[in-house]
Amino acid sequence: EDQVTQSPEALRLQEGESSSLNCSYTVSGLRGLFWYRQDPGKGPEFLFTLYSAGEEKEKERLKATLTKKESFLHITAPKPEDSATYLCAVLHASGGSYIPTFGRGTSLIVHP
Amino acid sequence: DTEVTQTPKHLVMGMTNKKSLKCEQHMGHRAMYWYKQKAKKPPELMFVYSYEKLSINESVPSRFSPECPNSSLLNLHLHALQPEDSALYLCASSQVAVAGGNAETQYFGPGTRLLVL
Repeated sequence: EDQVTQSPEALRLQEGESSSLNCSYTVSGLRGLFWYRQDPGKGPEFLFTLYSAGEEKEKERLKATLTKKESFLHITAPKPEDSATYLCAVLHASGGSYIPTFGRGTSLIVHP
Repeated sequence: DTEVTQTPKHLVMGMTNKKSLKCEQHMGHRAMYWYKQKAKKPPELMFVYSYEKLSINESVPSRFSPECPNSSLLNLHLHALQPEDSALYLCASSQVAVAGGNAETQYFGPGTRLLVL
């Protein structure tokens, strides 16, 4: 069964304390992997799309990387405004189509 | 501009009511999606429209009826819902369809918070 697993479920950091979030997947026919940020009660906000192993993308304090089995979202010197749930979604082949499957997310809290 | 708008922001309805959720994008995207998200859970795909035609229905109950009047608009008609249907309903769009196309980024709207009493 195709699966997307995110870890840890929750993460508390002090402001400035760098860390990484993990998204591991066991899907066939990977077409792409997306990272989103979601604030409570709001829609997911797009961060990155990664297509192939070895690819890296950066935006401000965030950097996403992709291997054949997992992706990491590195957060460097986080600030309280980085507090949110971070979702990864894998676009993969399923029954002749391509569908996105989301992980359960990592809830990040950054304390000042 | 990567904006997807959804109306209403909040909706309270009884189990016998009929209501509609609306979604709009002006990015020229040809694929639009409906998702359902319960609290502390990931979004669950419900429907995919590609070039205004329904291409994926993830076994959604018939009390949810999607409609795509044109390439910019997507509706979700609700009838005889159950309390367990209460959730955040998210609309998204992408340049091309998920089915059979290249991977494309989905841009989400802010969602409609639905409460069924």
